[in-house]
Formats: sequence, C-alpha cells, structure tokens
Amino acid sequence: GAGVSQSPSNKVTEKGKDVELRCDPISGHTALYWYRQRLGQGLEFLIYFQGNSAPDKSGLPSDRFSAERTGESVSTLTIQRTQQEDSAVYLCASSWTTQETQYFGPGTRLLVL
Amino acid sequence: DQQVKQNSPSLSVQEGRISILNCDYTNSMFDYFLWYKKYPAEGPTFLISISSIKDKNEDGRFTVFLNKSAKHLSLHIVPSQPGDSAVYFCAAMNTGTASKLTFGTGTRLQVML
Repeated sequence: GAGVSQSPSNKVTEKGKDVELRCDPISGHTALYWYRQRLGQGLEFLIYFQGNSAPDKSGLPSDRFSAERTGESVSTLTIQRTQQEDSAVYLCASSWTTQETQYFGPGTRLLVL
Repeated sequence: DQQVKQNSPSLSVQEGRISILNCDYTNSMFDYFLWYKKYPAEGPTFLISISSIKDKNEDGRFTVFLNKSAKHLSLHIVPSQPGDSAVYFCAAMNTGTASKLTFGTGTRLQVML
C-alpha cells in the first residue's frame, strides 16, 4: 500500500515569493500533521488536522503560514512572502486517529534564497 | 523549552554489540512515547513505541524501556547492524489532550564493521 507522499520533493524559491507544499496522507487516515525540521534541529510541530478541521494551529510560526485540508485527504501548507529562515524540510505525517502512531512522508526540502 | 531531550548527538558502536540510545522528558503529562529512525533525505520511519502503562516493549532486535519516575526512556538495539546507522529521534505525546508529537533533537548512530 502507498505511504504518505509529498510534493514537490525539493523547492528553491526567492525571498518574498509564496510557496505551496502538498501532502497526500495514507488512505483512510483521519489525522494529518505538518512538522518542519530546520538544519541541525529536531522536528517542530506546525499544525494538525482531524478530518478537515484544524483544532491545533499553535505551532504555526507566523501568520505567513497557513494550511488547509479537503475531502479528509490532501493537505496543502502555504507559506506567503517566504523568508530565508523558512528554509527547512517540511514533513507531513498521518495516522488512523489522533491517538495512534504517525507515519511520515519523505518531506519537501525548501530553500529560500 | 526543550521538553524532550536527547543529550548524545552521536554514538558509535561495533557491529554485533548493543546500541543504547537515551531520551529524557520533562512533561509528566506525556503518556505515549515513540522512536523513529531517519536516513538522509528520507522522512522519519516509525520504529517502536511504548505506552506509559508499560515499562518495556520489545520488537525483534529493538527494545524500548520506560522509567516514568525518572522521566527517562531508552532504546536498545541488539545486535547492532551496519544498516542501523541512521539518526534516531525520540518523540512523546499526551494522547488525552494534544496529538502532536514533541521530538528530541536526535542521536546519530554509526554502526562500524
């Protein structure tokens, strides 16, 4: 069966541009999470979805970050007016429910020049 | 505020010997703990987990031990194999209130021939 997939795998953008990152969770998983890992650091929680709603947005670093999920499936993470400090690997994970093990995708490597 | 700490950034072990990776946490509300393994340019792969109602969980060569009073967990790999060389992340969650994972900064394990 297919795992979590993410696209693009790599993204290079100029400071100030908007970027959109996509996550396709494992089919049937109701919970979906976004994390990021900056160079030399651990994984940092950004946001999670239960179905299509996002009960916890506490990890979003600024109002330039937003995410949505539709059809209890695909999710997009949007970063507006990117800054160099946004450079990181953005990881998506999904799980059957919010109390169960999360399975990760390969990540999107974002570089803001 | 680092709620999950992995104080050893790296560990080298001889093939066939035991690898012991350690993790400490500060939040007493955490009740579910996981270990993930990460290869370069890939997302974290779930390895093993333990609920706070247990003090040990075993899966093949991997055993996780939990000492709640000390707020400490460890991952034992025995025997260690060269393919185990990766970065290992400890993660914790409170299944009752928030499903996000809080990660440590990782320990890079190198298993030498």
